[in-house]
Amino acid sequence: EAQLVESGGGLIQPGGSLRLSCAASGFPVSSNYMSWVRQAPGKGLEWVSLIYASGNTDYADSVKGRFTISRDNSENTLYLQMNGLRAEDTALYYCVRSSKGLRLLDYWGQGALVTVSS
Amino acid sequence: QSALTQPASVSGSPGQSIIISCTGTSSDVGGYNYVSWYQQHPGKAPKLMIYDVTDRPSGVSDRFSGSKSGSTASLTISGLQAEDEADYYCSSYRSSSPYVFGTGTKVTVL
Repeated sequence: EAQLVESGGGLIQPGGSLRLSCAASGFPVSSNYMSWVRQAPGKGLEWVSLIYASGNTDYADSVKGRFTISRDNSENTLYLQMNGLRAEDTALYYCVRSSKGLRLLDYWGQGALVTVSS
Repeated sequence: QSALTQPASVSGSPGQSIIISCTGTSSDVGGYNYVSWYQQHPGKAPKLMIYDVTDRPSGVSDRFSGSKSGSTASLTISGLQAEDEADYYCSSYRSSSPYVFGTGTKVTVL
């Protein structure tokens, strides 16, 4: 059975950096599209970043140039390096698998909370 | 990157049917059949309920169904049950973004 476990969240000051990790089991991250989706407290879902099976990447305009998505195939782990953090980046960050390309987001982790505050 | 438009809330009595709309444009909902729906209970991760406009993943109740007309997609919940009370989000591929979500709808079972 697929499992996604996020880690690395926490409290960080504005302008700081944080790296989220997502350990996957039950399937290879390298063969799937893997995304980060965030949800600010009491708000809706926002897609943040995607790494395609090919290794190409894509980002929402709100994080482009500040966040970097990557994966370690040998560790079967997805990462999100977040630099230049802002208060508006405060959210629960979900690691999400898509086994059918851009058609859906079919398996979600439980999320890692990132709080940006001084 | 504007969100797709959903009603803030929809309610119904047990056993009734409700419909949640999701309005976009020809660049997303109207232009592609990559519409999906997600259910989120409080404090939980979202769960995929519908994909490719009308398809249900294995294990999802057939009380949930999806459709699309023009640039508006809809999720219908038939035979409403107490456990259906949750937030629901639509999502679509957009020509400028792999995934765009709806504003979210809170479903209340009266």
